[in-house]
Amino acid sequence: DAGVIQSPRHEVTEMGQEVTLRCKPISGHDYLFWYRQTMMRGLELLIYFNNNVPIDDSGMPEDRFSAKMPNASFSTLKIQPSEPRDSAVYFCASSLRPGAITEAFFGQGTRLTVV
Amino acid sequence: AQSVTQLDSQVPVFEEAPVELRCNYSSSVSVYLFWYVQYPNQGLQLLLKYLSGSTLVKGINGFEAEFNKSQTSFHLRKPSVHISDTAEYFCAVSEGQGGKLIFGQGTELSVKP
Repeated sequence: DAGVIQSPRHEVTEMGQEVTLRCKPISGHDYLFWYRQTMMRGLELLIYFNNNVPIDDSGMPEDRFSAKMPNASFSTLKIQPSEPRDSAVYFCASSLRPGAITEAFFGQGTRLTVV
Repeated sequence: AQSVTQLDSQVPVFEEAPVELRCNYSSSVSVYLFWYVQYPNQGLQLLLKYLSGSTLVKGINGFEAEFNKSQTSFHLRKPSVHISDTAEYFCAVSEGQGGKLIFGQGTELSVKP
């Protein structure tokens, strides 16, 4: 397996524009996580899914953020409208279902810059 | 609610010296504990994990960690570091198998020649 794949690796956009980040988890993994990393706040869990269903979205900062998982092999994180304070590295991670070893495999991240 | 505290934001050491990166957690239930490493411009990579059993856990690249339930700690150690160990290290806790991972703020390890 190629691991968790995120796209794009880098995104520069203007304030007010819509941004969509994409993630393909490892095949067979039932859990998918979206994290945001900033210098000020470190690694924050935004939302996670189990079997494509959102389980905990308490980390989503505000209504401008939304995440979907239409099937087991694809998830998106959307920001609309984007703001400069959304600039960060966004990581997607996936892990096996309960009863298995709980280690998360991370993608390379998407570095988002909102100007 | 679970939380993780990494006591040092930066740890500078000389090559071949020993190092300890400290991690404390708080949780009302049994937890699973992890250390991840992040090299510059990379994603996170698992170093080692504690799920159950022996409290001394060995990981990749010569790292090990010891789970201490009474002190709620999971400190990471390496007896002799290399320049290539320069990276950011994250301690993480999970309260359930497949549950969410909560990370500490990270410790930047800088190994100098």
